[in-house]
Amino acid sequence: DTGVSQNPRHKITKRGQNVTFRCDPISEHNRLYWYRQTLGQGPEFLTYFQNEAQLEKSRLLSDRFSAERPKGSFSTLEIQRTEQGDSAMYLCASSFLGRSGELFFGEGSRLTVL
Amino acid sequence: GNSVTQMEGPVTLSEEAFLTINCTYTATGYPSLFWYVQYPGEGLQLLLKATKADDKGSNKGFEATYRKETTSFHLEKGSVQVSDSAVYFCALPNTGNQFYFGTGTSLTVIP
Repeated sequence: DTGVSQNPRHKITKRGQNVTFRCDPISEHNRLYWYRQTLGQGPEFLTYFQNEAQLEKSRLLSDRFSAERPKGSFSTLEIQRTEQGDSAMYLCASSFLGRSGELFFGEGSRLTVL
Repeated sequence: GNSVTQMEGPVTLSEEAFLTINCTYTATGYPSLFWYVQYPGEGLQLLLKATKADDKGSNKGFEATYRKETTSFHLEKGSVQVSDSAVYFCALPNTGNQFYFGTGTSLTVIP
């Protein structure tokens, strides 16, 4: 069990550029979540996958954000036309259906938009 | 929807002091309640949970009791160590498969 892996760990970009983050969940986990965390706040839910199906999306997730989980394995979160307000830590978590609440988080990908 | 209100920090304690971090919740029904911890440079990890009223979750010397009467799930530890320095988050399931996390309480334990 290598844990949840996120890449890159830190991304600095200029406003208007596109960025993509990758999450590799724990291999047997069929649920995958994306959260966003800003300084001094708790994680805020963005979206959730069960296997390859994206089942829930937060109203926080604007049209500039898109997430995929092809083949139900790794997931990507893309932000198009980044804005300074997108600067945050993007967290990925995975879990196994039936173990409600036991989310396993990665270390996060920090985005800084200049 | 469901939510939690968490005691604001930061909290600074001397080693071996008693710790309480308050958490109160608002929920429909009686969802499971959780404490997650984030150590410096690491991802959040589950510290403990309680699945029904009057349950006590415990782990690593930390305890929290699910109290329906006071809608609370306060985190306690009798004697903190320097290694307990971290940010602690109270959490509960919200609508669907979302989790609602509190704002976090930063704890620093000094030797």
